[in-house]
Amino acid sequence: GENVEQHPSTLSVQEGDSAVIKCTYSDSASNYFPWYKQELGKGPQLIIDIRSNVGEKKDQRIAVTLNKTAKHFSLHITETQPEDSAVYFCAATQMEYGNKLVFGAGTILRVKS
Amino acid sequence: ETGVTQSPTHLIKTRGQQVTLRCSSQSGHNTVSWYQQALGQGPQFIFQYYREEENGRGNFPPRFSGLQFPNYSSELNVNALELDDSALYLCASSLKGQRITDTQYFGPGTRLTVL
Repeated sequence: GENVEQHPSTLSVQEGDSAVIKCTYSDSASNYFPWYKQELGKGPQLIIDIRSNVGEKKDQRIAVTLNKTAKHFSLHITETQPEDSAVYFCAATQMEYGNKLVFGAGTILRVKS
Repeated sequence: ETGVTQSPTHLIKTRGQQVTLRCSSQSGHNTVSWYQQALGQGPQFIFQYYREEENGRGNFPPRFSGLQFPNYSSELNVNALELDDSALYLCASSLKGQRITDTQYFGPGTRLTVL
């Protein structure tokens, strides 16, 4: 089955700096890679996703890149703000088989002002 | 807000008891997936329901069971509760089409504590 590894486990950045979180997956059949942000006491919130037919996707300060050959995908947050502080999870799945997400262990992002 | 609601918000049970958690899916969605999130970990897939039938199960024992109703809402039942069942239980709704199941949107979760 699919296995997703996520690094780093914690990340501290200064407000305004960029943050990068990296994930690797094991199943080459996975074709959908969402990123979720989870704030304390809340459920995961989808912030961006990418499908395997695309190498990069951007939404304002957030971007995701996918390298299918290396089975890597990364989340990039630019111009970080204190409200970006949260736990971020990557996930991988196949959309044809129910989109049952396999999550990474999470990254705690702290943005210092 | 995703439009996915869960009840109750918090629950405290003792070992050996049974619990039922509820989820209302987002309008227009026909599939509900349940996940268990232990403290400090990523969510783990329990099972998925589509058209009132189980459509895949993760590595969880049979004492974890579920239902989906005609309005696409769902229940998660856990029998013979164990201390390790203490976790945040999340449901996620999505739209399953002919070929693919689209993006999953999560509810706020139910925090279960087993004493």
